[in-house]
Amino acid sequence: AQSVTQPDIHITVSEGASLELRCNYSYGATPYLFWYVQSPGQGLQLLLKYFSGDTLVQGIKGFEAEFKRSQSSFNLRKPSVHWSDAAEYFCAVGAAQGAQKLVFGQGTRLTINP
Amino acid sequence: EPEVTQTPSHQVTQMGQEVILRCVPISNHLYFYWYRQILGQKVEFLVSFYNNEISEKSEIFDDQFSVERPDGSNFTLKIRSTKLEDSAMYFCASSEVNIYTEAFFGQGTRLTVV
Repeated sequence: AQSVTQPDIHITVSEGASLELRCNYSYGATPYLFWYVQSPGQGLQLLLKYFSGDTLVQGIKGFEAEFKRSQSSFNLRKPSVHWSDAAEYFCAVGAAQGAQKLVFGQGTRLTINP
Repeated sequence: EPEVTQTPSHQVTQMGQEVILRCVPISNHLYFYWYRQILGQKVEFLVSFYNNEISEKSEIFDDQFSVERPDGSNFTLKIRSTKLEDSAMYFCASSEVNIYTEAFFGQGTRLTVV
């Protein structure tokens, strides 16, 4: 069965600092991987996705993520965070066939210090 | 930009009552989903719906839950007899049939069962 682990429940960084949010997945076949962001009171917005090809994917708002098959990881990075990046971040994995059902990690809450 | 719309944004209901959560998926999407997020927990898959029938459902989606596409635009989740533990944020999502695409989520309906 698919599973996703986000080891960090809560991360605090200073504005302007770099950010890396960790995500490890378990899936027997080629995974489809996603990062979603949830701002307070809002729905889930897709930041980026990986289906195949280049293992470094670029997303919106200056985020990127790198797929590392050998480590079963799909970590999210941003070189310089902004106060508006404070939110909950969810990593998710979808099945290769149809990518229709997503399995989410427990989320990482990001706090930005001014 | 097309978006998934959910109504109401917040619903309070008494235990044992029936509730219907409504969603308007993106118009050219053919796959529809419901997920829920109990406060402080993961986003969990409930059900996917395609071609007017359930394509997959989770263990959570028992007989008290049902989904329907009553017309060409709405997608509903009905909970027949609500329990306290049904209190959660319920997200509707939709996607194209093409597997190389992502699910678009609505802003959620917060259901509170008292």
